[in-house]
Amino acid sequence: DTEVTQTPKHLVMGMTNKKSLKCEQHMGHRAMYWYKQKAKKPPELMFVYSYEKLSINESVPSRFSPECPNSSLLNLHLHALQPEDSALYLCASSQEVTLRNQPQHFGDGTRLSIL
Amino acid sequence: GESVGLHLPTLSVQEGDNSIINCAYSNSASDYFIWYKQESGKGPQFIIDIRSNMDKRQGQRVTVLLNKTVKHLSLQIAATQPGDSAVYFCAAPKEANNLFFGTGTRLTVIP
Repeated sequence: DTEVTQTPKHLVMGMTNKKSLKCEQHMGHRAMYWYKQKAKKPPELMFVYSYEKLSINESVPSRFSPECPNSSLLNLHLHALQPEDSALYLCASSQEVTLRNQPQHFGDGTRLSIL
Repeated sequence: GESVGLHLPTLSVQEGDNSIINCAYSNSASDYFIWYKQESGKGPQFIIDIRSNMDKRQGQRVTVLLNKTVKHLSLQIAATQPGDSAVYFCAAPKEANNLFFGTGTRLTVIP
């Protein structure tokens, strides 16, 4: 079982809906990440939070809005998504904010389908 | 440029045989590498990592080899089992906290 918990596991939404993806870790990790993964492709970084502050936004469209309420929680708010946004959304965390000598730990993702 | 890629997109092995998954990188400054296993419907699971001051590192049934001269690393799985069937990614930090993944290799274990 992963120590990074994501909810929901599956989400189907229309293009006019507003929904949120949630991620939680209780390992005391200082950095948290959102990735997007399309079928048969590697994960692609979307956002990085370091010490609860947004440190990297990989030019993600504004219809994706991240939020870090506290050191254990990470949300991804979704609004007016497009069908091409259908993908597996992965949350990850790492002990330190630099990845030079430590791995990230991933949740099992939310499978998002946009109708 | 920088890339972390894999030589073969798919690999099929007989149960009990050893598996070798390869990965090439282009940035000679890369100093830390990670292997992840991703099973269907799950997120990437950390398997093993290696720093550039090492040539080899062993885990339980897995060994990672790093050849800095040719910028190549490999993941060896001993006595491959059906539960090893998954997609395997090599990864390396692109910047301070941006992890760059290779394209992945799908390992299929034939019973």
